[in-house]
Amino acid sequence: SAVISQKPSRDICQRGTSLTIQCQVDSQVTMMFWYRQQPGQSLTLIATANQGSEATYESGFVIDKFPISRPNLTFSTLTVSNMSPEDSSIYLCSVSGGRNTEAFFGQGTRLTVV
Amino acid sequence: DAKTTQPPSMDCAEGRAANLPCNHSTISGNEYVYWYRQIHSQGPQYIIHGLKNNETNEMASLIITEDRKSSTLILPHATLRDTAVYYCIVRVAGISGGYQKVTFGTGTKLQVIP
Repeated sequence: SAVISQKPSRDICQRGTSLTIQCQVDSQVTMMFWYRQQPGQSLTLIATANQGSEATYESGFVIDKFPISRPNLTFSTLTVSNMSPEDSSIYLCSVSGGRNTEAFFGQGTRLTVV
Repeated sequence: DAKTTQPPSMDCAEGRAANLPCNHSTISGNEYVYWYRQIHSQGPQYIIHGLKNNETNEMASLIITEDRKSSTLILPHATLRDTAVYYCIVRVAGISGGYQKVTFGTGTKLQVIP
């Protein structure tokens, strides 16, 4: 299993500012995934972060709004840029153990934009 | 990944078995059935997965029909702590470089009643 730590666990931010969310894993993993969960909704994948290359974004998400870093095999960051109230969500980091294994999730970062 | 269909909500009396159905009629031969749950304000938690045989672990049992077009997650003795949203997901696993993203549907909100 993998233990994932996310920081911060929650934050309240002013519109127009940016927030960087950190994700630390206790073991080396190839792929890390970032999800968004809007209030009352299911999880939506933002992007896949592979160490040593640019992240792959899902439809509707762009690098300028959600830049991602993946400097090594145990760490990644997601930045929510130029925030608006519509960005208020829970942001979750996830890793997959690989072949025929389950995915593990962090506890999420609850972001409120005012 | 194949699409899944789940009832939006279910109730279950505490101490009784909770049977959560999932339809995945377009599942492919190399896709596994995974179940996760998300307790309020937490990240999703892996429960169980299977390919075609029934599976059981300390948390639950997974029954997959012979044609693999549907499955049922069984919590044998539901407790109040099992109140959560349960997600049924089908995804490819075991392929070369198979670090697969998880695509979430809307899930079933299970309410365990005292």
